[in-house]
Amino acid sequence: GQQLNQSPQSMFIQEGEDVSMNCTSSSIFNTWLWYKQDPGEGPVLLIALYKAGELTSNGRLTAQFGITRKDSFLNISASIPSDVGIYFCAGQLGSGGKLIFGQGTELSVKP
Amino acid sequence: DAGVTQSPTHLIKTRGQHVTLRCSPISGHKSVSWYQQVLGQGPQFIFQYYEKEERGRGNFPDRFSARQFPNYSSELNVNALLLGDSALYLCASSPQALNYGYTFGSGTRLTVV
Repeated sequence: GQQLNQSPQSMFIQEGEDVSMNCTSSSIFNTWLWYKQDPGEGPVLLIALYKAGELTSNGRLTAQFGITRKDSFLNISASIPSDVGIYFCAGQLGSGGKLIFGQGTELSVKP
Repeated sequence: DAGVTQSPTHLIKTRGQHVTLRCSPISGHKSVSWYQQVLGQGPQFIFQYYEKEERGRGNFPDRFSARQFPNYSSELNVNALLLGDSALYLCASSPQALNYGYTFGSGTRLTVV
């Protein structure tokens, strides 16, 4: 099925380091979303972006909606052990509820 | 407040059997969507229902069907199960048909043997 190109696939970082991940698409999206998924759980919404160029923060997390509407990035500052998990980007095409997800970035944080 | 609840949490079925998965949305949410997440991949859209009507369908065979009830709960049915149907099935709800940040349930882990 259709998916976004999300990179990197995995990251191993030291506690306290900053993290950056991004998503690109060949299609234009009206909305970009970033989710975090822990083992055995469903994805939890971290940040929602609704306008091209929009930069939004949620605590140590910052995400931007690319100007071309075909990309988005997520930054995590000063990582902590509980940041461990899989991060997914998702884009929404037009109206309706269909979300297109990236393949995920698995984040590991060493104390 | 209760989030999105799904049942059962785990299920093992044999090839060729039928399965029904259930979802109760957050109170007041009228839109329910279903996603399939195969191990190591992102969720794939299956269906969206709003006000008991199908509003979207992903690229899944006709063996997959769903419906939404007057209380906005939903069922996902899969017939003639294949080994490749083994996955985590996620239900997500939102207040309206347009997505403004769906809330996902914890999913049903289906294993087909």
